[in-house]
Amino acid sequence: GENVEQHPSTLSVQEGDSAVIKCTYSDSASNYFPWYKQELGKRPQLIIDIRSNVGEKKDQRIAVTLNKTAKHFSLHITETQPEDSAVYFCAASIHGKLTFGQGTILTVHP
Amino acid sequence: DTEVTQTPKHLVMGMTNKKSLKCEQHMGHRAMYWYKQKAKKPPELMFVYSYEKLSINESVPSRFSPECPNSSLLNLHLHALQPEDSALYLCASSQEGSSVPDTQYFGPGTRLTVL
Repeated sequence: GENVEQHPSTLSVQEGDSAVIKCTYSDSASNYFPWYKQELGKRPQLIIDIRSNVGEKKDQRIAVTLNKTAKHFSLHITETQPEDSAVYFCAASIHGKLTFGQGTILTVHP
Repeated sequence: DTEVTQTPKHLVMGMTNKKSLKCEQHMGHRAMYWYKQKAKKPPELMFVYSYEKLSINESVPSRFSPECPNSSLLNLHLHALQPEDSALYLCASSQEGSSVPDTQYFGPGTRLTVL
């Protein structure tokens, strides 16, 4: 089955800095790659997603890039704010089945 | 209504109890999912229903029994659980399901403790 590796497991940045989280996947049939943010005690919330026919997508301070050849995708957050602090999960989807990475704990220091 | 709702928020049960978790969505989604999430871990898929039919069972023990009474409702019946089953149980829904890659929207979860 699909295997998703996510790095780093923890990331600490200063407010205003950029944050980058990277994921790799194993199954070339994966065709949808969402990113979820989960605050403590809350539900995972979709922050951005990308489909396999697109290389890059941006939504305000958040961007995702996909390299299908290398089978990796990355989340970029610019101008980080303390409220960006949370656990971020990448995921890869085959036939609607999501496989998640292990998560990255992002801490943004004021 | 653009949310997935789950009840109860918290549940404590003994190993001999029978209980049920409930999930509801009114977004017209045709796929619904159950996930289990342990602390500091990612959600793990348990079951997928597509058009009210069970399409994926990730080799989940029979003490977990899913049910989809209609396109808006998803239940998870629990019986003879073990303490290691204590976790956050998340429900999700999406527009279509297995044939199209689309966004899954998660409910707030039920925090289950098995004593």
